[in-house]
Amino acid sequence: DARVTQTPRHKVTEMGQEVTMRCQPILGHNTVFWYRQTMMQGLELLAYFRNRAPLDDSGMPKDRFSAEMPDATLATLKIQPSEPRDSAVYFCASARYSNTGELFFGEGSRLTVL
Amino acid sequence: AQKVTQAQTEISVVEKEDVTLDCVYETRDTTYYLFWYKQPPSGELVFLIRRNSFDEQNEISGRYSWNFQKSTSSFNFTITASQVVDSAVYFCALPSRAGANSKLTFGKGITLSVRP
Repeated sequence: DARVTQTPRHKVTEMGQEVTMRCQPILGHNTVFWYRQTMMQGLELLAYFRNRAPLDDSGMPKDRFSAEMPDATLATLKIQPSEPRDSAVYFCASARYSNTGELFFGEGSRLTVL
Repeated sequence: AQKVTQAQTEISVVEKEDVTLDCVYETRDTTYYLFWYKQPPSGELVFLIRRNSFDEQNEISGRYSWNFQKSTSSFNFTITASQVVDSAVYFCALPSRAGANSKLTFGKGITLSVRP
């Protein structure tokens, strides 16, 4: 049963530390998304890639966040330096085709920044 | 700008009751898709349905049905004979812009609790 895999599932860190979240999309999916979920803002799209190329990262705070796809099996989201307001659940999702809207989500990485 | 409003934040029902989750949207696009996703306690969002704005016929899948009304910009979701396993957060979504159907704007979600 193909799934999107995210690591770590939980991360507690102190303000100022670097945080890296990783995602393995479903094999064969050419589009990868990073979403952030908070109680206040709900689900927000941070960035997405098609065929490993960044298509849109307008939802991402550029000064501290960066997203990359080093290869087709790995997407990373990095926060440096982390701040308490970054505490959230970060979801990776992948899609077989870039334009269907049918996204397959991972279980999320719950980040707590103290 | 695209907007999805899910006015109900929490709904609690007893098993076997029918329940309707409301979704109202705003878009300037003439053609568009609408979506529902389910987020069970395990956390990952699960795709339920995609609906094209051309097609206003109701959609039924087992105990789930969707009522799309373009005139009122609503895309409501009904669960018939609810079960405890239906307990989850349900999100309605709309593409952020025409032609980018995978760049979704989600509503705030409705938490459904089904009690035995």
